[in-house]
Amino acid sequence: EVQLVESGGGLVQPGGSLRLSCAASGFTFSSYAMHWVRQAPGKGLEYVSAISSNGGSTYYANSVKGRFTISRDNSKNTLYLQMGSLRAEDMAVYYCARQSGTWIQEYYFDYWGQGTLVTVSS
Amino acid sequence: EIVMTQSPATLSVSPGERATLSCRASQSVSSNLAWYQQKPGQAPRLLIYGASTRATGIPARFSGSGSGTEFTLTISSLQSEDFAVYYCQQYNNWPPTWTFGQGTKVEIK
Repeated sequence: EVQLVESGGGLVQPGGSLRLSCAASGFTFSSYAMHWVRQAPGKGLEYVSAISSNGGSTYYANSVKGRFTISRDNSKNTLYLQMGSLRAEDMAVYYCARQSGTWIQEYYFDYWGQGTLVTVSS
Repeated sequence: EIVMTQSPATLSVSPGERATLSCRASQSVSSNLAWYQQKPGQAPRLLIYGASTRATGIPARFSGSGSGTEFTLTISSLQSEDFAVYYCQQYNNWPPTWTFGQGTKVEIK
């Protein structure tokens, strides 16, 4: 059974940093691109970042570019999101998601974690 | 940047009735369009990919159609468990970008 379990969320002050983790199991983690998607309280889904299966390619939404860094450790089956210079507008539930496949027609997300809440407040 | 626009924002439907949700892309995304369902306090769940293919385990009452810039999600006969928020997502660009619509809430009439 595919499982994605996020952790690392919590309360952080504006300007602070936080690292989120997503532990994967039930599939060959190193074969799949992975993503982070966030959802501010009461709002819709917002795409954040992507990383290729081997970590060699990364993509970011303009809203987080230069402040967030996505990475992965395939030996630990874990995805990360290092968040810096946090702002009030970064407060959200952060989900990790698995990309279905490697062809562009497969770039949708077939499994999602339950999310971890990041609160940015002084 | 491709913008995805969903309509209506809220749809009030009685159980057993048909629901039709729309999603429009600001430029063609071919058939690279997915639909997700999200219930309160839960993660999104994949319903439809490739504009019209149901994901594993999704009931046949859910169907998707469209290509290019206009897409539709139809729920043929709403069940109580279908009241939720539905998001469309495009995944067509190169270099890759992924964009969600703002969501349509399907509520009980």
